[in-house]
Amino acid sequence: NAGVTQTPKFQVLKTGQSMTLQCAQDMNHNSMYWYRQDPGMGLRLIYYSASEGTTDKGEVPNGYNVSRLNKREFSLRLESAAPSQTSVYFCASSGEEANQETQYFGPGTRLLVL
Amino acid sequence: EDQVTQSPEALRLQEGESSSLNCSYTVSGLRGLFWYRQDPGKGPEFLFTLYSAGEEKEKERLKATLTKKESFLHITAPKPEDSATYLCAWSGAGSYQLTFGKGTKLSVIP
Repeated sequence: NAGVTQTPKFQVLKTGQSMTLQCAQDMNHNSMYWYRQDPGMGLRLIYYSASEGTTDKGEVPNGYNVSRLNKREFSLRLESAAPSQTSVYFCASSGEEANQETQYFGPGTRLLVL
Repeated sequence: EDQVTQSPEALRLQEGESSSLNCSYTVSGLRGLFWYRQDPGKGPEFLFTLYSAGEEKEKERLKATLTKKESFLHITAPKPEDSATYLCAWSGAGSYQLTFGKGTKLSVIP
């Protein structure tokens, strides 16, 4: 049981380049989330997917798009990266029978935009 | 505006010196109050969920409590391996989204 996995672990982009961050969970959870974490700002929700086939904006969605590919996978796309998107990105999932809203996090992707 | 505030921002303790971390909240319709631990370079790790005032939960040297205005994470006789950033978060009625505080960085010195 790997839990929540994220790829890549680290990425360097140039301004204007695009990339997709991948996330997968093997806990059969319905809901999945993307956060960014910046020094002094805490974890902020970018997008979430309450169930397969639905996605919604969080607190800081500008500059990002998401795809809920199936129940297991939720990807985050940066179409034209900007230095302000330099951050650590975390994917999470929730939906245990006994505790629906407890979120379990992946190890993170560290993104540097030059 | 609904929010949580964690204090202190950083705390240094000697090994064995018990203390508490605070998470005060102003949230209408609080559904749950969550505590997570985050080690450097890793994702947050779930510790506790509290749902009602008066509730307490324990895990090894950690005990979380909840009142109508704040939650405490009590650390009893901490060890250096308890060093981490501790995050609190809240969920509101009708939603599974979590909103996180900025965290307390705990350092336990041998």
